[in-house]
Amino acid sequence: GESVGLHLPTLSVQEGDNSIINCAYSNSASDYFIWYKQESGKGPQFIIDIRSNMDKRQGQRVTVLLNKTVKHLSLQIAATQPGDSAVYFCAERGTGAGSYQLTFGKGTKLSVIP
Amino acid sequence: EAGVAQSPRYKIIEKRQSVAFWCNPISGHATLYWYQQILGQGPKLLIQFQNNGVVDDSQLPKDRFSAERLKGVDSTLKIQPAKLEDSAVYLCASSRLVFVGTGELFFGEGSRLTVL
Repeated sequence: GESVGLHLPTLSVQEGDNSIINCAYSNSASDYFIWYKQESGKGPQFIIDIRSNMDKRQGQRVTVLLNKTVKHLSLQIAATQPGDSAVYFCAERGTGAGSYQLTFGKGTKLSVIP
Repeated sequence: EAGVAQSPRYKIIEKRQSVAFWCNPISGHATLYWYQQILGQGPKLLIQFQNNGVVDDSQLPKDRFSAERLKGVDSTLKIQPAKLEDSAVYLCASSRLVFVGTGELFFGEGSRLTVL
């Protein structure tokens, strides 16, 4: 079946630099995408979302870009801080069995170097 | 506002034994989800409830997994008998709506299961 995947499993970034985390998706029918942050021992936490009729959305220090032509998502974190160290998942919303399910990718581990 | 509560946080059992996990969603959230997260992977949906009814259980291994949400609030996920490959973190999540379109999906901290 179709699934969400990630280009890089790990990413190390110097504190203060910008981080870019990438995600590829294969379901062209997906209409909604979410980025989650998961710290060790905790559940995923919502960061930012974007609908398929948009190509960019900004939050506080984070920006999500959506390129539907190549089915690619990215999460940009500005001025990366040690507290940003975590695993980041992208998720896409599809349909299944009458519900709107979220399908998660495998995640990218972001390590911030002080 | 209290978050999604789960217990136990950790459980170690031997294969073929049974285990149960409990979840208390955020007050007022009608939709409750159980996800399985194997180490190094993203969460995978097992079952979704709307109030006390099942919306989607297509990925629940029904020969060994069962879940219920009898009064439309708390939920229990049971595994019997457990297999080695069931070792994972079991995440409970809740949302106000069944249509997850606003990012309002809140996760608990999970219950980590180790099957020996």
